[in-house]
Amino acid sequence: GQNIDQPTEMTATEGAIVQINCTYQTSGFNGLFWYQQHAGEAPTFLSYNVLDGLEEKGRFSSFLSRSKGYSYLLLKELQMKDSASYLCAVRDRRKADSWGKLQFGAGTQVVVTP
Amino acid sequence: SQTIHQWPATLVQPVGSPLSLECTVEGTSNPNLYWYRQAAGRGLQLLFYSVGIGQISSEVPQNLSASRPQDRQFILSSKKLLLSDSGFYLCAWSDPGARVSEAFFGQGTRLTVV
Repeated sequence: GQNIDQPTEMTATEGAIVQINCTYQTSGFNGLFWYQQHAGEAPTFLSYNVLDGLEEKGRFSSFLSRSKGYSYLLLKELQMKDSASYLCAVRDRRKADSWGKLQFGAGTQVVVTP
Repeated sequence: SQTIHQWPATLVQPVGSPLSLECTVEGTSNPNLYWYRQAAGRGLQLLFYSVGIGQISSEVPQNLSASRPQDRQFILSSKKLLLSDSGFYLCAWSDPGARVSEAFFGQGTRLTVV
């Protein structure tokens, strides 16, 4: 099984930077994902890490350390529209499946203030 | 391009009534399919996972069931709903042959059991 932990809520000012941490424990790691979810809507894919290091995509960056079971999502130049829940998800590798299933953390609610 | 359709968008059902939520994917073949449930203010709980027709993995014991009668059709059912079945139900698909193989979500069904 997997345990995925991330903070419940973070508040930051428009234009600032926020870092959302995620720690996980898994029996067989096969990738870590970050999703954004606005209230009442479906999650949308933001980033993917399978190897150690930093992946940058515009204002969003995601980092992974497999040895530490740790990832973070960095949001730069915060905008009001970035207020949302950010979900960390881990895919495990299962012998019975071709690719493994996704398990999600509870999400971090980011509140951007003017 | 690939699309995922999930319906209905909202549903109010009495306790003890049956449930059938349908999800279909277009523009891809042999997808992995998922049903998730999200309680208010909580993360996504994986309910069912399917890697092929008739192949269903149940992740959480409950009074729900899932079926995959066709390659791109995934159905979530219940014979008798409980109050605790209320929540936001999300269907998702992923391409097991893709490099990243991220999950793409339908728009969700908000189920209220009264």
